[in-house]
Amino acid sequence: GQNIDQPTEMTATEGAIVQINCTYQTSGFNGLFWYQQHAGEAPTFLSYNVLDGLEEKGRFSSFLSRSKGYSYLLLKELQMKDSASYLCAVRPDQAGTALIFGKGTTLSVSS
Amino acid sequence: ETGVTQSPTHLIKTRGQQVTLRCSSQSGHNTVSWYQQALGQGPQFIFQYYREEENGRGNFPPRFSGLQFPNYSSELNVNALELDDSALYLCASSWPGLARNEQFFGPGTRLTVL
Repeated sequence: GQNIDQPTEMTATEGAIVQINCTYQTSGFNGLFWYQQHAGEAPTFLSYNVLDGLEEKGRFSSFLSRSKGYSYLLLKELQMKDSASYLCAVRPDQAGTALIFGKGTTLSVSS
Repeated sequence: ETGVTQSPTHLIKTRGQQVTLRCSSQSGHNTVSWYQQALGQGPQFIFQYYREEENGRGNFPPRFSGLQFPNYSSELNVNALELDDSALYLCASSWPGLARNEQFFGPGTRLTVL
């Protein structure tokens, strides 16, 4: 079966750094995505990894280890607006674009 | 904003009824995927349409059906509604020709089944 695990909730303070972990077991692997979703809104794309290593994009970085089935999203210089749900998703199929999502990690940033 | 639109925004139905949700894909995108997101859960893949043909389906019963039109817009139909069908329904469009081939999500339709 397909399984993606991530912590349910995390809390942090403004200006801090937080790391959200994701482990996956899927039938195939053709990329891992991180999406941000504010309450009641659509998911928005944050990052994409298909090869091992770190991808950096401003305050956000994402890491992938395919051999370990592991990824993390690193958020630096946290701001209140970063309070949201963070979704880890794997695309298992090379031919298609369907994504398998984890349940999401709700991040609360306090001042 | 992604350029993906969905209608209606909210909908209330009763058990046993049928519902049709609509999605317009981002300009140039020929693939549309539908997801169901229950409260506190991640989106679950329902099915995908590519150039008007179903191109993959998740673990959903046949009463969930869809359609894609020549302009790549899409409909999701759900028959014989059940209480558990209450969820946010998300449509996402994509273009397989892009290297990253990410999905762009619409704002969703919130369906409540009473």
